[in-house]
Amino acid sequence: GAGVSQSPSNKVTEKGKDVELRCDPISGHTALYWYRQSLGQGLEFLIYFQGNSAPDKSGLPSDRFSAERTGGSVSTLTIQRTQQEDSAVYLCASSLNFGVGTDTQYFGPGTRLTVL
Amino acid sequence: DAKTTQPTSMDCAEGRAANLPCNHSTISGNEYVYWYRQIHSQGPQYIIHGLKNNETNEMASLIITEDRKSSTLILPHATLRDTAVYYCIVRSFSSNTGKLIFGQGTTLQVKP
Repeated sequence: GAGVSQSPSNKVTEKGKDVELRCDPISGHTALYWYRQSLGQGLEFLIYFQGNSAPDKSGLPSDRFSAERTGGSVSTLTIQRTQQEDSAVYLCASSLNFGVGTDTQYFGPGTRLTVL
Repeated sequence: DAKTTQPTSMDCAEGRAANLPCNHSTISGNEYVYWYRQIHSQGPQYIIHGLKNNETNEMASLIITEDRKSSTLILPHATLRDTAVYYCIVRSFSSNTGKLIFGQGTTLQVKP
């Protein structure tokens, strides 16, 4: 079946502009996660959704970052007033239902964001 | 969640078994061991997970020591396509978040 999809695959923007990154989770998956991976760095957790609510936003690096999820499906990560240090690959993952036994996160291909 | 320690890099000959170790000496009873890998420029791919028993699937085997302080991921017949960064992650199910905490992982280079 279809996996996690993300769009766009690549985004180049100018410093100070706002960007929106989209994630379509696997159908039926109630949990959704955003991570980012800066050049040469490990993967860093940003935010976790269970349904439409976000119980854990602890990884969002600043108030320029926000995310929402509507209808328990698609999620959008928004970065306002982008800075060069925001350049990274932004990865989305989904899982069937966190908290019910073990759950496995399946990752999308990521969006490569470059801030000039 | 418990911290894991992995070697920075390893080499393996094509067709041979790749054995990737992971130390998680501070693991607690409700924490699982997960393995993911990331092939260059792709998202992480789930491989396998376990609690205390050894596990096997179509991709790999996971051997967890009896005291659960370490584990080994085994790729039985490594191919060039198995070249990737392999992450060992310990994750609790008593926390209120399912976030995965990735370390630096082991870069496995499979050579012809």
